[in-house]
Amino acid sequence: AQKVTQAQTEISVVEKEDVTLDCVYETRDTTYYLFWYKQPPSGELVFLIRRNSFDEQNEISGRYSWNFQKSTSSFNFTITASQVVDSAVYFCALSDPGGATNKLIFGTGTLLAVQP
Amino acid sequence: KAGVTQTPRYLIKTRGQQVTLSCSPISGHRSVSWYQQTPGQGLQFLFEYFSETQRNKGNFPGRFSGRQFSNSRSEMNVSTLELGDSALYLCASSESGQGKAGELFFGEGSRLTVL
Repeated sequence: AQKVTQAQTEISVVEKEDVTLDCVYETRDTTYYLFWYKQPPSGELVFLIRRNSFDEQNEISGRYSWNFQKSTSSFNFTITASQVVDSAVYFCALSDPGGATNKLIFGTGTLLAVQP
Repeated sequence: KAGVTQTPRYLIKTRGQQVTLSCSPISGHRSVSWYQQTPGQGLQFLFEYFSETQRNKGNFPGRFSGRQFSNSRSEMNVSTLELGDSALYLCASSESGQGKAGELFFGEGSRLTVL
């Protein structure tokens, strides 16, 4: 069965600290996609990244970086030099079997609080 | 470009009633998906529509239904409301094409409270 686990329910850091959000997934598919979404207090989920199962290259976008490791079924997200505006709930998600679908299985989310 | 618009933003209903929620996708997006978000169950996929056809469906009872119009606007309906239907209902639109699958643009949601 498809499953996404975000074991960290809440994380609190002080501004400028680095923080890593963990995501572990389960799937029997060989072709799948992984995602991260951000949900700020306003409630609107914002797409951050999509990674396919054949691309294990790490990705960096500004202060954000993602580490995908198939060997451990993990897709972790690191924010460098965190800022108060990073405070939000972050969701990791996995595509439904088949890959090319908008049906995503979301983890339970990690609430990140960045204190000034 | 205007984002995804959902109406109404907030509504209160009583058990047994029915409700219709509306979603206008980003211009040019032909796929509309609906998700339910609750504190207990998290984010759960309801259904997806593409070119007026339901393309995918989640594990929800038949009381939950939806449709899509020729202009890509979508509505979802919940009949015979139960207390457990209280949730934030999120609509998301996306571009068509395999290369964009899963890249969803969400609206702010419709918060339904069932009393």
